[in-house]
Amino acid sequence: DQQVKQNSPSLSVQEGRISILNCDYTNSMFDYFLWYKKYPAEGPTFLISISSIKDKNEDGRFTVFLNKSAKHLSLHIVPSQPGDSAVYFCAARENSGTYKYIFGTGTRLKVLA
Amino acid sequence: DTGVSQDPRHKITKRGQNVTFRCDPISEHNRLYWYRQTLGQGPEFLTYFQNEAQLEKSRLLSDRFSAERPKGSFSTLEIQRTEQGDSAMYLCASSRLRDSRGYTFGSGTRLTVV
Repeated sequence: DQQVKQNSPSLSVQEGRISILNCDYTNSMFDYFLWYKKYPAEGPTFLISISSIKDKNEDGRFTVFLNKSAKHLSLHIVPSQPGDSAVYFCAARENSGTYKYIFGTGTRLKVLA
Repeated sequence: DTGVSQDPRHKITKRGQNVTFRCDPISEHNRLYWYRQTLGQGPEFLTYFQNEAQLEKSRLLSDRFSAERPKGSFSTLEIQRTEQGDSAMYLCASSRLRDSRGYTFGSGTRLTVV
C-alpha cells in the first residue's frame, strides 16, 4: 500500500524553464511534507517543507504547493538549472508523534543545458 | 557538525553470512532512523530510536534484522543469515525531536549479497 506516490519516474526540462514535480498521498493524517533531493552515491538532502496548515511555501527558486482536498503536492523549480538534475523524493509525516516519514518512489529530473 | 556517518560505504557478502553496519548521527540529535532503499524505490522505514530506546520497528524488519543504539549515541544494524533480497542501500538518518527540516541522512551503506 503506497501511501505516497510519485507517478512520474522521470522528467526532462530545458535550462531556464520551470520544472514541476508532483506527489499524491492517500493518508489524511499526514500533517507535514518534505521534499528531498538526492544525487548519486549520496544520501537524500532536505530541500523544502510545508505544513498542512499552509498551501504554499517558497524558498528562492523552489516553491511547494499543497492541495489538501486533492491530497496533492507539487514542487516548482524556476528557473531550472543543470545542477538541479537529481532524484527528488516527496515525504509525508503522520500526525501520530512518531516523526516518521513515508517516502514516495522519486522522480528523476534532468535539466538540459 | 560532521553530518551523519555510515560505515562501511559498500559491503559485498555471501548469502548466509552476517553483516553489521554502523551509523554515527549528528551529536545533538536524539532521534535516529534506519531506512532501506532498493532500485527504483524510495527509502522505506525500518526502525527508529529516541535516545537509546527503539520505539518502532517496521514489519519489513524480519527476525534476522536487529538494531541497537547503546547509550543513545551510535547505532548498529545487523543482518543475520543474509539473503539476496537483502541487497539494498541502507540509509541512516538523525534528527532533533522536532525538526522542521526533517532528517539529516548519511550517505548510506550499499549491501550486495551474492
